[in-house]
Formats: sequence, structure tokens, C-alpha cells
Amino acid sequence: KAGVTQTPRYLIKTRGQQVTLSCSPISGHRSVSWYQQTPGQGLQFLFEYFSETQRNKGNFPGRFSGRQFSNSRSEMNVSTLELGDSALYLCASSPRTGREVEQFFGPGTRLTVL
Amino acid sequence: GENVEQHPSTLSVQEGDSAVIKCTYSDSASNYFPWYKQELGKGPQLIIDIRSNVGEKKDQRIAVTLNKTAKHFSLHITETQPEDSAVYFCAVIYNAGNMLTFGGGTRLMVKP
Repeated sequence: KAGVTQTPRYLIKTRGQQVTLSCSPISGHRSVSWYQQTPGQGLQFLFEYFSETQRNKGNFPGRFSGRQFSNSRSEMNVSTLELGDSALYLCASSPRTGREVEQFFGPGTRLTVL
Repeated sequence: GENVEQHPSTLSVQEGDSAVIKCTYSDSASNYFPWYKQELGKGPQLIIDIRSNVGEKKDQRIAVTLNKTAKHFSLHITETQPEDSAVYFCAVIYNAGNMLTFGGGTRLMVKP
């Protein structure tokens, strides 16, 4: 089975712009979660989508949003970019939602905000 | 919310030695404890996980132990090899969904 794919792998934007990142989960997986990874804050949960519905949301401002499509692919959007949004954005795929379910990560999208 | 502390932050061992990384968590209701390995330029890779109904799980050179009473779990790597060099993260699932709360990471360096 192919793993989790994320596009693009690298992105450079300027402050004030917006960005959309894409994630394709492992075939058959229906849950997609997004995480932000920075040297200072480590790995932090953004949100989880299951069956096109947001199930959980982390402690991030409303500039961060996401959605999931009927084929389980997911996108996340960051509007009005700030320098502090520079990070590695990771997508994780699970066969279902729940507390004891394995999550498999993609390679991430490296976002640099100038 | 959940809090996960991971120690040490860096660990240097000689090839062939063992490495142990420890994590403590705060939510006694947590039931799932995965470990991830992240190599440079890659996403975290799930290497082993444990659920609260067992105290230990092994997979070749890797083992995880769980003490639910004390709320801590550990990763044990035996016969370390240079390719084990990476950053390792422990995590806990908190609340009803799939939200992983991660420890701060341990940079493991295996010297040949």
C-alpha cells in the first residue's frame, strides 16, 4: 500500500498571504489528522477529520482551517500568514477514529513564511 | 489537557549498547501509547505502540514497557546500530478522538 502523501513538499510564502496544503491518506483510511512541528513548540495537534467532519481541534487560531473530501483526502488552509507559521505541517492517516488507533504520518510540507 | 514529559532530550550511546527513553503522562484515562522515530527530512514513523491492557511489548530489538499506576512508559532499544540514530517521540492519545499529545523528543546518537 502506498503511504500518506502530502503536497507540496516545500512552500515559501510572504506574510499576509494564505496557503493550502493537501494530504492523501493511505487507501482505505478514513481519518486524517494534521499536526504542526516547530523547534520551539514541538509537535502540536491542529485538527482531525473523519467522514468529512471535524472531530477535534487543537489550540490554534481561526486562521487555521481544514476540510475533508468524500474520498478522505484532506486540505488545510492557513490565512493571513505570520512569520511564526513557519513550520513542518504533518498529516497523519488512520483507518478509523478512536483512542487506540494507529496513526501513520506523511513526509510533511515545509512552510517558510518570509 | 494532557501533558507528556520525555527524558532525556539527548542520548549518546556506543554501537551495541542499549538505549532507554522514558515518558510520563498526566491523564490516567489514557490507553494508547505509541512511539515514533523521525529521521532528518522525514515524517515520524510509528515503530511500536502499547495499549493499557499489557505491561510490555517487544518487536525484535525494540521494547516498550508501561506502568499505568505510575503513569510512565519507556522505550528500550537493545544492540543499537548507527541507523537507530534519529529523534524519538513518545505520544499519548488524549480525549475521545485521535489527538496525539507528544513528548518533547529525544535525539539518539549511536556512535560506531
